[in-house]
Amino acid sequence: DTAVSQTPKYLVTQMGNDKSIKCEQNLGHDTMYWYKQDSKKFLKIMFSYNNKELIINETVPNRFSPKSPDKAHLNLHINSLELGDSAVYFCASSQESAGSGNTIYFGEGSWLTVV
Amino acid sequence: GNSVTQMEGPVTLSEEAFLTINCTYTATGYPSLFWYVQYPGEGLQLLLKATKADDKGSNKGFEATYRKETTSFHLEKGSVQVSDSAVYFCALSVGFQKLVFGTGTRLLVSP
Repeated sequence: DTAVSQTPKYLVTQMGNDKSIKCEQNLGHDTMYWYKQDSKKFLKIMFSYNNKELIINETVPNRFSPKSPDKAHLNLHINSLELGDSAVYFCASSQESAGSGNTIYFGEGSWLTVV
Repeated sequence: GNSVTQMEGPVTLSEEAFLTINCTYTATGYPSLFWYVQYPGEGLQLLLKATKADDKGSNKGFEATYRKETTSFHLEKGSVQVSDSAVYFCALSVGFQKLVFGTGTRLLVSP
């Protein structure tokens, strides 16, 4: 069974649309994340939730809104998509926030292309 | 702040060659250090980690030693294979902070 699963894997959409990416983890972890990987492969955190509470919110446009209905899910909703939003979005999870050496487990990524 | 610097790629090697990918870090506090690998078209997988100075992480023939005196965590493998072709990311975390990644180093191994 996939530990961190996210859907869809590929998404092509037009500018101005609203889209969501869903993420679920079955590891029993209490912390979940969204990372963005740009075209140059650079990875940067967007959000982090611990027990459904937002604990990290990097400088991300407010068109991006994470939602955590429970500890096992962290969805990413994007409003009014722009060309610059094209990227790979990775969901991840860990037990407690990474920092005591706990491993962060990543999903397979969602390739978003805005046209 | 916390940051990770990796060598620029791509690193191009022939099969069975020795691999070193350099990684140095800057951190406040005592970081844990990680190497993640991303194969073409796939997500990130943890390759190895070390949580304190002088620890050595190892997996699949890869090794990296946490060197506090040189603030480094270089990745090595004695004999690379074509299947090792991927992008390798060095990363750190400190306290209850987010994981900070380096820019990634692409490895290309030819037969």
